[in-house]
Amino acid sequence: GAVVSQHPSWVICKSGTSVKIECRSLDFQATTMFWYRQFPKQSLMLMATSNEGSKATYEQGVEKDKFLINHASLTLSTLTVTSAHPEDSSFYICSARDSGDYEQYFGPGTRLTVT
Amino acid sequence: QQQVKQSPQSLIVQKGGISIINCAYENTAFDYFPWYQQFPGKGPALLIAIRPDVSEKKEGRFTISFNKSAKQFSLHIMDSQPGDSATYFCAAPNTGGFKTIFGAGTRLFVKA
Repeated sequence: GAVVSQHPSWVICKSGTSVKIECRSLDFQATTMFWYRQFPKQSLMLMATSNEGSKATYEQGVEKDKFLINHASLTLSTLTVTSAHPEDSSFYICSARDSGDYEQYFGPGTRLTVT
Repeated sequence: QQQVKQSPQSLIVQKGGISIINCAYENTAFDYFPWYQQFPGKGPALLIAIRPDVSEKKEGRFTISFNKSAKQFSLHIMDSQPGDSATYFCAAPNTGGFKTIFGAGTRLFVKA
């Protein structure tokens, strides 16, 4: 149980375009979802936290107009990278958590390359 | 302050040896301490977790030791295998549990 999927697993896009990444909890209801960014050989950096039906809470330094997060249902959250630039190239990982549970279940990650 | 300090940054162990990774935290309100294992190109996966009401938890070859007074917890991997080669992160949820603070990670390499 507790499976989280991400789609796509990797994506290449041109500078200036937008990319949407989906995160789904397959067998539980995710009241809270988290989006992380990870650079090579570094730890996970939390970008934002979203609760179903509410606006996302962004971490300091993360541009909310650039990284649009939508948590429209208890099983789906999306991250849209708008007007992507090469410096946005990274590994994006989502995680999901049910209410009252400390444990987060991570997705497999999405490798974004902006050319 | 809400930090989790992890050491060492990297670790090389012979097959069959014991791998030990340490973490120290500052916020005494933390009450859940998971360890995650991450392989290259994959998302992290929960390995083992402990709550501060116990000093040790063992699951197979993996053991967490917890020292509440020293505000430290460690991961021990017994009989380390090449398949254990991965990056390990300690973590703790912040006050309120609304987000998780991750350590910097330890890259473990087990030599065959």
